[in-house]
Amino acid sequence: AQKITQTQPGMFVQEKEAVTLDCTYDTSDPSYGLFWYKQPSSGEMIFLIYQGSYDQQNATEGRYSLNFQKARKSANLVISASQLGDSAMYFCAMREGWVTSYDKVIFGPGTSLSVIP
Amino acid sequence: DAGITQSPRHKVTETGTPVTLRCHQTENHRYMYWYRQDPGHGLRLIHYSYGVKDTDKGEVSDGYSVSRSKTEDFLLTLESATSSQTSVYFCASARDRELKNTEAFFGQGTRLTVV
Repeated sequence: AQKITQTQPGMFVQEKEAVTLDCTYDTSDPSYGLFWYKQPSSGEMIFLIYQGSYDQQNATEGRYSLNFQKARKSANLVISASQLGDSAMYFCAMREGWVTSYDKVIFGPGTSLSVIP
Repeated sequence: DAGITQSPRHKVTETGTPVTLRCHQTENHRYMYWYRQDPGHGLRLIHYSYGVKDTDKGEVSDGYSVSRSKTEDFLLTLESATSSQTSVYFCASARDRELKNTEAFFGQGTRLTVV
C-alpha cells in the first residue's frame, strides 16, 4: 500500500491566487515527520517545509504553509499568492518513527503545478 | 545551500555495460544518499552512507552498488546496466540525524538512459 498519496498528478492555478496541494499518508507510528519538496524544471529538489507529528502548530515558511490534519492523516501544502516561479513538481515525503535519518524517508509520487499568468 | 554536484548530468549507455555515477559534496555532511526518480513513484532510495566506508541498502538496491572512500564522494555503480535502470538519479546529503527536521540537500540529478 502507498504510504504517501498525492492524488493530484497535475494542477493549474492563476498567478496571485492561493493553491492547495494534497498529501495523505499512512502510518501507525505516533512519531513521524512530513516534508514538502519542490522540483523545478532544472531538476534539483528544494526543501520547503517540515511538520512534526507532535508539533502543536501548523508549519509556515514564507508563502508556504502546511495544513496538518492529524486525525485525517493529511498534510496539505498551501501556497499563497502564487508566482510564475512556483511552477514545478511538488513532493510530499514522510519519515516514520523516532529515528531521524533520511534513509527512512518515503516520497510520494508528486504533483505538477503550473501557474498561469 | 549545500554544494552537491553530480556527474555526469546525462549519460546514454548500452545494456550490459558498467556505469558509475559520481556525487561530490563540499559541506562535510556525514550522510549521503542515492535515489532514483521514476514517473508515478517519486524518489526511491537505492543506497545510503552514514560515514566513510559505511553504507547500507535502500528500497531498490538490486543491481546497484556504492562506495564511499572519502566524506565528500559517494559513487553509485551499475555493474551491468539494464533498460529498467533508465531513470533520473539523485544524490543527496544531510548534515546530521539528531534533528527531526533536518532536511536533505539534493544534487541536480543525472539522467541515465540504457539502450
